[in-house]
Amino acid sequence: DQQVKQNSPSLSVQEGRISILNCDYTNSMFDYFLWYKKYPAEGPTFLISISSIKDKNEDGRFTVFLNKSAKHLSLHIVPSQPGDSAVYFCAASAKKGTDKLIFGTGTRLQVFP
Amino acid sequence: GAGVSQSPSNKVTEKGKDVELRCDPISGHTALYWYRQSLGQGLEFLIYFQGNSAPDKSGLPSDRFSAERTGGSVSTLTIQRTQQEDSAVYLCASSPATTPGGYTFGSGTRLTVV
Repeated sequence: DQQVKQNSPSLSVQEGRISILNCDYTNSMFDYFLWYKKYPAEGPTFLISISSIKDKNEDGRFTVFLNKSAKHLSLHIVPSQPGDSAVYFCAASAKKGTDKLIFGTGTRLQVFP
Repeated sequence: GAGVSQSPSNKVTEKGKDVELRCDPISGHTALYWYRQSLGQGLEFLIYFQGNSAPDKSGLPSDRFSAERTGGSVSTLTIQRTQQEDSAVYLCASSPATTPGGYTFGSGTRLTVV
């Protein structure tokens, strides 16, 4: 049972445009959500997070939106840059974020010039 | 150390052999996690150590998999009688106990069972 789902395995965006990566979850106990970025042959690195008490969190070019009623979150990257090309994983946790992370299957983002 | 260190970085083993994968977490991080990523798949949770508490083993796929964490620091993931479906990148992460989801991952061990 996939509790965190990323239905788009890949996304291609032109440099300078907005990239929108989507994630859906099924477990209503999740109360903390994160996005990780992964380059080949490296471990995932933390990008941005959001608590369930918020609906938006912004950090520079990255913004995460949370829609609790729809059990949906999204990551917006604007403007997209070639260096953003990577696999992006959505993750969720319960117990105010202190429980183990459950990851989605990832979306491969390619930003082309 | 400065980061999470995993060894070996690559391991090729014959089907049926046992393998040990090592993880050296960030000093002072009380939580340690093992995940694996199979080809084309997401990160699959395996096991979670938190301080002196009993580990959460709910993600281990079979009894051929086991892990231990000695002295609250280094962890070893052991796979007995390896099968081809065990081929994956095994990732270790650590975090301070009080940080929600603030994992630092190692670069992983790529295991290939032939």
